[in-house]
Parts: sequence; structure tokens; C-alpha cells
Amino acid sequence: AQSVTQLGSHVSVSEGALVLLRCNYSSSVPPYLFWYVQYPNQGLQLLLKYTSAATLVKGINGFEAEFKKSETSFHLTKPSAHMSDAAEYFCAVSGNSGYSTLTFGKGTMLLVSP
Amino acid sequence: ETGVTQSPTHLIKTRGQQVTLRCSSQSGHNTVSWYQQALGQGPQFIFQYYREEENGRGNFPPRFSGLQFPNYSSELNVNALELDDSALYLCASSFGPGGNQETQYFGPGTRLLVL
Repeated sequence: AQSVTQLGSHVSVSEGALVLLRCNYSSSVPPYLFWYVQYPNQGLQLLLKYTSAATLVKGINGFEAEFKKSETSFHLTKPSAHMSDAAEYFCAVSGNSGYSTLTFGKGTMLLVSP
Repeated sequence: ETGVTQSPTHLIKTRGQQVTLRCSSQSGHNTVSWYQQALGQGPQFIFQYYREEENGRGNFPPRFSGLQFPNYSSELNVNALELDDSALYLCASSFGPGGNQETQYFGPGTRLLVL
């Protein structure tokens, strides 16, 4: 069984500040991990994914995430927040079932103030 | 390249009715997965279709059913609608069903309201 925990349903930062969104996972097999972003009234857009090639993964829009097996974490960061980053962010894990299902966390809403 | 499209964008139904949601997969993709996203929650996996057959299912009752067509588009059908079925329904397409590193590309969703 797999699960994802996202710490903090809301995170507030000022424009230009560091963004840190936390994700911890539970998986009985080596996981594949994803971060998706959802803008209001839209579907999900892939930010980045970890597939065991490298522990530090760079994504779109300046985001990156680091896989830490010892901490079972896959936190998302961005050095400098922009107003356009305000959205909901979902961490997801995919396991070793015979089909590529994703198990999502509950999401973290990122609020960016000027 | 055409992305994943879904129709309709919004839908209002009453309890007990039936609904059909539609999804066109991204060009070159042969697998479609459906997810339900309740308000304030992350998406939950309903089922996946690969080459016109159900390839996996989440914890949803049989009144949630689906189809995939030869062109890989898909339908999600929900019978005997309940108030708790009110949610955003997301369709995602991918190339291949297994290989769990496979990226799923999501459509904009259909927002269903059951009164």
C-alpha cells in the first residue's frame, strides 16, 4: 500500500521568498514520485517526477525536489516565489502495480503575497 | 499535438440520475485513467483503461463504470447518482499502462454537481 502526506494545507510566502512544500511518502517498494500543480478551475499539470535516475530533480517554472530515502521525503522547493506560483500543489506516488495509478496527497495551497 | 480534452466542463444532475463523462486522450496515448477529486481533497483513482479493457480499479462501487473506444477515447458512467458524487472528475492519459514511472497527462476536468 502507498500513501502520501503533505504537511500544511496552506503555505503563505512573500513574493521573492523561498518556497518549501513538504511531502512524505509511504511505499513498500521503491517509489516513483511526482509533483503536480493545479491552477483554479483547471486540471493538473506535471511539475516534475522522480524515477530513480537522480535524487535532485529539476522541473518547470524553477521548481525542484529532492528525494531522500532515509527521510521518505520528496519536498518541493523554489528559491524565489512569484505571484504566478499561487496555486494548489499535489504530491503523488506510483508503485509497482500492473497499472500506472497515482496516489495523491491532499494538496497544499500556496499563497503568494506582494 | 493535442492535449487531453474532457466534456462537458460542468454538469448538474439530481440524485438517482445517470451521467456520462467523456475524455479524449492525448495524441499517441493508449491508456486512460479516471480520477475523482472531491472539494478540498486530492484526486482518487477510479479505474484505468488500456486497449479497450479495464486494467485496474480503485475503491469505487460498480455503479462507476467505463469504456474505452478504438481511438482510445473514454467514457466514465455513473449510475444512481448520490450527493457525494459531486466532485471534479479528471481524466489522464499515458503511453502504456504499466511502468509506474509513466507520466500521466491530465485534462481540465468535468465538474459534476448532484442535487
